[in-house]
Amino acid sequence: DAGVIQSPRHEVTEMGQEVTLRCKPISGHDYLFWYRQTMMRGLELLIYFNNNVPIDDSGMPEDRFSAKMPNASFSTLKIQPSEPRDSAVYFCASSWGRSNQPQHFGDGTRLSIL
Amino acid sequence: SQQGEEDPQALSIQEGENATMNCSYKTSINNLQWYRQNSGRGLVHLILIRSNEREKHSGRLRVTLDTSKKSSSLLITASRAADTASYFCATDAPNFGNEKLTFGTGTRLTIIP
Repeated sequence: DAGVIQSPRHEVTEMGQEVTLRCKPISGHDYLFWYRQTMMRGLELLIYFNNNVPIDDSGMPEDRFSAKMPNASFSTLKIQPSEPRDSAVYFCASSWGRSNQPQHFGDGTRLSIL
Repeated sequence: SQQGEEDPQALSIQEGENATMNCSYKTSINNLQWYRQNSGRGLVHLILIRSNEREKHSGRLRVTLDTSKKSSSLLITASRAADTASYFCATDAPNFGNEKLTFGTGTRLTIIP
């Protein structure tokens, strides 16, 4: 059974460029989470969806960040324009049911903004 | 700010020894989970303990929860080189309808062969 799939695994781009990160959750899962991990701030929740609907985006740092989930099998996290401080590893996770269920993480996208 | 704080930040032990990591949190919870992260990989769920449970076992893992002290510990017995990873606790929010998990700062465990 395939796990959570994220693409690309690595992205290096210049400041000001648009960055799109992609995630395919595990089939049948109804929750999808986007996290950012840095040495300084650890693992931060950016936004999460339930049944493709954004529920809480309070962790999205700025208007430059946006996330969509057009269907149950695909989500994107977009940064436009990108800045060097956005450099981090971005993880997508999915789960079935509420917070008493484990979250399944993808292997992340390592983003470097030059 | 982080809900959970792991202690110690880093731990190195000889293979075969037991490793204990601690997690403290600030607000009441329904559940606490432990995750492992190998270098360059995503987090992997290890075990979940509910607020009405005090201890739970899974293979070589033993988790305890003390809600009065708002703390949890993860014990890995008979450690192996493959246990080298970072370990995170994660707490949920007590209010209904909030499915967020807040992750701690992590303990980096190194098993020396």
